[in-house]
Amino acid sequence: AQSVAQPEDQVNVAEGNPLTVKCTYSVSGNPYLFWYVQYPNRGLQFLLKYITGDNLVKGSYGFEAEFNKSQTSFHLKKPSALVSDSALYFCAVEGGSTLGRLYFGRGTQLTVWP
Amino acid sequence: SAVISQKPSRDICQRGTSLTIQCQVDSQVTMMFWYRQQPGQSLTLIATANQGSEATYESGFVIDKFPISRPNLTFSTLTVSNMSPEDSSIYLCSVPTSGRAITDTQYFGPGTRLTVL
Repeated sequence: AQSVAQPEDQVNVAEGNPLTVKCTYSVSGNPYLFWYVQYPNRGLQFLLKYITGDNLVKGSYGFEAEFNKSQTSFHLKKPSALVSDSALYFCAVEGGSTLGRLYFGRGTQLTVWP
Repeated sequence: SAVISQKPSRDICQRGTSLTIQCQVDSQVTMMFWYRQQPGQSLTLIATANQGSEATYESGFVIDKFPISRPNLTFSTLTVSNMSPEDSSIYLCSVPTSGRAITDTQYFGPGTRLTVL
C-alpha cells in the first residue's frame, strides 16, 4: 500500500534562511512523488514531481526536492525562504489500483518570519 | 495545465440538507477525482468519476451519501447528502494532465468550503 509521512506538523524559518520540509514514503513499485502547496482559502497548487531520472527535481517558485531511494525520502527544499512561502505543504505519492490517485501526507505548515 | 473552477466556493448549510458542488474544467478529461479535506487534516479521496460510467468510491464513502454525476468530459458534480456537522470540510475536485499515464500531474480546483450547522 502507498503511504506518505510528513513528520513535522510545523516548520518555522527566518526569511533568507534555507528551508526543508520533510517527507518519507512507502510504496509498492516505483515511487511517483509530488509536492503541493496550499495557501489560505486556496486550492492545492502543484510544485514539483519526481518520476524518474535526476534525484534533484526543480519546481515552481524556486523550490526543489531531493529523491533518496535508500532513505525513502523526498524532502522539499529552498535555498532562501521568503515570507510569501508561508503556507501548508503536502507531499503525495501516486499509486494503488486507481490510475492518477494520490495519497497525501498530513501536511506541514511552513511559517517564514521576517 | 488545466483550469478548474468550483461552485460554490463556500457555503453554510443546515443539518439534514444536501449540497451539490460543481466542478468545471476548461478541457476534456477522462478522469476526475473528488477529495475531502477535513479541518486540520490531509486530503482523502472520495471517489473517481469517469464519464459514461458509475463513479468508483473509496472505502468509507458510499453513493447514497455522496452521489456523483459526470454528464460530459468537462463537468462533474458531487452532492453531499443529509449533511451533519461531521461533513464540514473542504471538497476539491482534481484532474490529471491526460488521464492516460501514471506520471500525470494532478491539478486541483480551488475547493468548496462547507460548514454544516
